[in-house]
Amino acid sequence: DIVMTQSPDSLAVSLGERATINCKSSQSVLYSSNNKNYLAWYQQKPGQPPKLLIYWASTRESGVPDRFSGSGSGTDFTLTISSLQAEDVAVYYCQHYYSTPFAFGQGTRLDVK
Amino acid sequence: EMQLLESGGDLVQPGGSLTLSCAASGFTFRNYAMTWVRQAPGKGLEWVSIISGGSGSTYYADSVKGRFTISRDNSKNTLYLQMDSLRAEDTGLYYCAKERDGRSYWFFDLWGRGTLVTVSS
Repeated sequence: DIVMTQSPDSLAVSLGERATINCKSSQSVLYSSNNKNYLAWYQQKPGQPPKLLIYWASTRESGVPDRFSGSGSGTDFTLTISSLQAEDVAVYYCQHYYSTPFAFGQGTRLDVK
Repeated sequence: EMQLLESGGDLVQPGGSLTLSCAASGFTFRNYAMTWVRQAPGKGLEWVSIISGGSGSTYYADSVKGRFTISRDNSKNTLYLQMDSLRAEDTGLYYCAKERDGRSYWFFDLWGRGTLVTVSS
């Protein structure tokens, strides 16, 4: 089974500054036949269900602000918020969908410094 | 508007059973795989199970395999999760979610608000 590990567990960033969250998979989630990384990112605000932000490691979901970006390949991935806004306070999860069982990272809590 | 509405959560004793439902609207339900994801109080997300659009394929997390059964009724636009032999560690908010593209790439773009399952004596 593929295990997803995020770092850090929590971070606090000043408004307008960059936030970076890392996600590492225990084995590659890059599917060679289509050269796609089977990795998604979600945002969960308190009392709300998760919201899809990024899929295929770097494709932004419709309606997601362009300050959110995803990068990485193979086993190492990054979610970057280029200029933190107050509404970005949330817990962020990565998820692989390379094979079952799917797995989420443990989550990274993002707050305003 | 696309929507998912879970129901069926309750307080149940260890060893008991419960069936969750997820009513879908606003999209062609039979064309999409559907999944259950749970979240223990104050904890992260845990994938539970998934079923393909035509119900031909089902998959489970090891933690629920043999105890939980996922199913769907495409005529009623409803997803189910039959949960047997419940344990305290099954306590949590259970979300249903829809795959985004209907092409068996299993990331999820629509989530319900969840239904709470509490397993306690």
